[in-house]
Amino acid sequence: DSGVTQTPKHLITATGQRVTLRCSPRSGDLSVYWYQQSLDQGLQFLIHYYNGEERAKGNILERFSAQQFPDLHSELNLSSLELGDSALYFCASRSGKQGATGYTFGSGTRLTVV
Amino acid sequence: AQSVTQLDSQVPVFEEAPVELRCNYSSSVSVYLFWYVQYPNQGLQLLLKYLSGSTLVKGINGFEAEFNKSQTSFHLRKPSVHISDTAEYFCAVSLMNRDDKIIFGKGTRLHILP
Repeated sequence: DSGVTQTPKHLITATGQRVTLRCSPRSGDLSVYWYQQSLDQGLQFLIHYYNGEERAKGNILERFSAQQFPDLHSELNLSSLELGDSALYFCASRSGKQGATGYTFGSGTRLTVV
Repeated sequence: AQSVTQLDSQVPVFEEAPVELRCNYSSSVSVYLFWYVQYPNQGLQLLLKYLSGSTLVKGINGFEAEFNKSQTSFHLRKPSVHISDTAEYFCAVSLMNRDDKIIFGKGTRLHILP
């Protein structure tokens, strides 16, 4: 157990629907990062939150949004889902503010859009 | 901008043979370097990281990596692989002194042949 908890582990939904993925970071970690992993694109950075504030955005679609709550858990909302959104979504947390600290990853949410 | 290139998408190797997984990076500023491993149906785990100092870095499970600044490489090696090393390996970079995102390569799948 890495200490980063992601729920649900698997999600199957229809096109056009909306889903919410949840992440609880490792105790004490203030940073949460979201990544999308697909076979053709690899690991793509979506968004970074630090202590409730958005710090950086990557290749995140406008249909996707995220937030980090006061208890530091984060949610990634995906709406108007398309078949191409099927992927593994990972959350990672980091303890320090500097790049020397690596991430601790959750086990991911596998999203299948049918 | 930083980028990471993993030169081999798949590497087959016989059990107990040595292996090298190649990684080259591009950056106009100094970076930290990481190797992560992803076992089937799991999240990513940190294998090792290079921050500064000795260019040979030892990690978990008998892996080591060598930082070569002139060749901008960070190749991962293991002298004798086991069937349990079957996984996908990701090279990654992160800016120093920033809480910036980690940029990952596309991964190398290691196949251990009996």
